[in-house]
Order: sequence, then structure tokens, then C-alpha cells
Amino acid sequence: EVQLVESGGGLVQPGGSLRLSCAASGFRLSSYWMSWVRQAPGRGLEWVANIREDGSEKKYVDSVKGRFTISRDNAKNSLFLQMNSLRVEDTAVYYCVRDEKDGPLHYWGQGTLVTVSS
Amino acid sequence: DIQMTQSPSSLSASVGDRVTITCRASQSVRTFLNWYQQRPGKAPKLLIYAASTLQSGVPSRFSGSGSGTDFTLTISSLQPEDFATYFCQQSYSTPHTFGQGTKLEIK
Repeated sequence: EVQLVESGGGLVQPGGSLRLSCAASGFRLSSYWMSWVRQAPGRGLEWVANIREDGSEKKYVDSVKGRFTISRDNAKNSLFLQMNSLRVEDTAVYYCVRDEKDGPLHYWGQGTLVTVSS
Repeated sequence: DIQMTQSPSSLSASVGDRVTITCRASQSVRTFLNWYQQRPGKAPKLLIYAASTLQSGVPSRFSGSGSGTDFTLTISSLQPEDFATYFCQQSYSTPHTFGQGTKLEIK
């Protein structure tokens, strides 16, 4: 059974940092692109970033470029999102998601809440 | 970036109704268009990918169509569990943008 379990969310002040982790199980992580998608409270979905199977290619939405870094450790079946210079508008539930061929997002984690507030 | 616009933003309907949600892309996404259902407090669920391919396990009352810039999601006969929010998403080019969502409510 495919499982994605996020951790690392919490309350942080504006300008602070957090590192989200996603533990993957039930499939070979090294065979899939992976993504992070976020959802602000009561709002829609926003695609944040994705990373190629071997980590050699990374893409980001403009609003997080230069502040967030997506990475992976296939040997440890883990995906990460390092978030620096956090802003109030980064407050959201962050989902770890497995990409399928040509981009649909099939398997989602349960999400981890990041709250940026003073 | 490709902008995705859904209509309507909200919709009231009754069990048994046929409903259609539309999604328009600001430029062609060919058939790299996906639909998701999200219930309150839950992660989204993939319903349809590649514009018209039903994800395994999704009831056949859901269908998708379209190509280029205009797409539709149709539910042929609404069931109580279908009242949720629906999102389209393009996976043609990054960022893989979502529509703003359509909230389907019980009339």
C-alpha cells in the first residue's frame, strides 16, 4: 500500500525557517517525480514544487523561488521541503504527493500544517 | 504561467441531477488536464487524468472531456457522497496550476 506521511509543520515567526519531511512507503521512491502542494486555510490548491526521480531537476512556483528548496533521499525513502524566509502568506497545509506519468497527482499524504505568525 | 479558470465557483444541485463543471486554460494544455475531488478536511482525490481517463476505482458517473483550452467534468447522476469541491489542474507546463475550485452543494 502506498503511503506518504508528512511531518515538520508547526508555528513559526515571519522570517523563520522550517523543514518539512515526507516518509514514503509501499513503492520505490526513486521511480517517481514527487511534488509538494499547499492549501491555505479555506482556499484552493497551489502547486509549490516538484523534483525529478534522481533529484537532478527541480521546479518551483514563482512565489517560493529562492526561499524554498525541494530535495529527496531515495535511499531513505524521503522527500523534503526546506522553507526559509517564511511569510504570513505561506501559512497552509502542505501535502506531499506522488506524480504519475504526465503529471497527475494520484497519491497524497494527509498534510502538515505550517502557520507563519508573530 | 498558465491560468486555470473554473466555472461556476459554486453550484447547488440535488441527488440524481446531472452537473457539469467547466475549466478553461489561458493557453493550450493539449490534454494534460486532471480533475480532483476534495471533501472537507481530506486530501484531494484524483478522479480523471489526461482530460478524459477515469482513475481506477472512480465511479463511471464521472466523465471528462475537452482538449486545448476548454474542458468539462460531468457527473451524470449526483450521489450524496459527490457533494464536495472539485479542482482542475494542468500538468502541461510548470507550475502545474490549479483552478480555483467549484464547491458542489446540496440544494
